Amino acid sequence: GENVEQHPSTLSVQEGDSAVIKCTYSDSASNYFPWYKQELGKGPQLIIDIRSNVGEKKDQRIAVTLNKTAKHFSLHITETQPEDSAVYFCAARDTGFQKLVFGTGTRLLVSP
Amino acid sequence: DGGITQSPKYLFRKEGQNVTLSCEQNLNHDAMYWYRQDPGQGLRLIYYSQIVNDFQKGDIAEGYSVSREKKESFPLTVTSAQKNPTAFYLCASSPRDRGLSGANVLTFGAGSRLTVL
Repeated sequence: GENVEQHPSTLSVQEGDSAVIKCTYSDSASNYFPWYKQELGKGPQLIIDIRSNVGEKKDQRIAVTLNKTAKHFSLHITETQPEDSAVYFCAARDTGFQKLVFGTGTRLLVSP
Repeated sequence: DGGITQSPKYLFRKEGQNVTLSCEQNLNHDAMYWYRQDPGQGLRLIYYSQIVNDFQKGDIAEGYSVSREKKESFPLTVTSAQKNPTAFYLCASSPRDRGLSGANVLTFGAGSRLTVL
């Protein structure tokens, strides 16, 4: 089955800096890669996703890139703000069981 | 507003007791899921259901049971057989799986935190 690794586990940046979170996956047939943001005491919320037929997708200050050859994908947040502080999870769709497999999460702290 | 409601938000249990966590959705989603979240381990799938009266084990189903008698409801029972039940439990739902060309966008509830005393 699919295995997803996520790095770093914690990331501290200053407000206005950029933040990058990286994930690798094992199943070359995986075709869907979402990113979720989880604020303290809440459930995760989808913030952006990308399908395997696209190399990059942007939505305002966030972007996701996908390298199918290397089997890795990354979340980029520009001009970070304190409200970006949260835990971010990447995931990949397991084609065998057609379910999402999650990374272990990255705690992002944006200091004013 | 459509969404997923989990209850209770906090639950304390004595060792040896079974507890049931509620999950209700009004999104008209066919699929529902239960995940367990532990620090540093991400989200691990316990059980999932693609349709009423059918469900499958996820990666860590031992010590848990579910039922799917109604489309809107997918309760999770944490049994006394679960050796380390203290965790944050998340319920999610998604539209019907559209196969390899589709995407199952999950909508999560706010979670239930279970503590075993």
